[in-house]
Amino acid sequence: EAGVTQSPRYAVLQEGQAVSFWCDPISGHDTLYWYQQPRDQGPQLLVYFRDEAVIDNSQLPSDRFSAVRPKGTNSTLKIQSAKQGDTATYLCASSFRTINERLFFGHGTKLSVL
Amino acid sequence: GQQVQQSPTSLVLQEGENAELQCNFSTSLNSMQWFYQRPGGSLISVFYNPSGTKQSGRLTSTTVIKERRSSLHISSSQITDSGTYLCAMEHPTGYQNFYFGKGTSLTVIP
Repeated sequence: EAGVTQSPRYAVLQEGQAVSFWCDPISGHDTLYWYQQPRDQGPQLLVYFRDEAVIDNSQLPSDRFSAVRPKGTNSTLKIQSAKQGDTATYLCASSFRTINERLFFGHGTKLSVL
Repeated sequence: GQQVQQSPTSLVLQEGENAELQCNFSTSLNSMQWFYQRPGGSLISVFYNPSGTKQSGRLTSTTVIKERRSSLHISSSQITDSGTYLCAMEHPTGYQNFYFGKGTSLTVIP
């Protein structure tokens, strides 16, 4: 079974540039999460979906960040105008709806904003 | 505020020693998980442990939901155990909405 796939693995931007991250969850997993992990910190939830619906995006900086999952499978996280404070690893995870299901993470996209 | 507190922040062991990692939660929770992360690596689920004690090889997780705490015991540590151990809680108001601690960095030396 393929794991959670993310691309790109690395991104380097100047402030003000835009970037998109892509995630392909494990087949059949209906719940998809995007986390931001600053260096030497734990992951912080940005947004998560059940199928194509956003369940919680309260921690997503809505003025610059957006996330979609139009068909309930793959997902894209976009930063419109990157800031240095966005430097972090962006992690995608997926799980299945049943109780007692583990989170499975991708390798992440390491973003550096100069 | 930080809902998930992990201790210690970092730990250095000699190979063969045991370790006890703690996770405390400031709110009620539905369940919790322990994850392992190598530097620059992905998070790997080690235990899904909503309550009670679970063991896998040299790792043992004990969760007491009513007391809002969980521990991860590593016995006979090996150099390959080095990395960061994170715990995450499932928030009761969000279905499968997980909040993470900052992690315990473990270094096992020969």
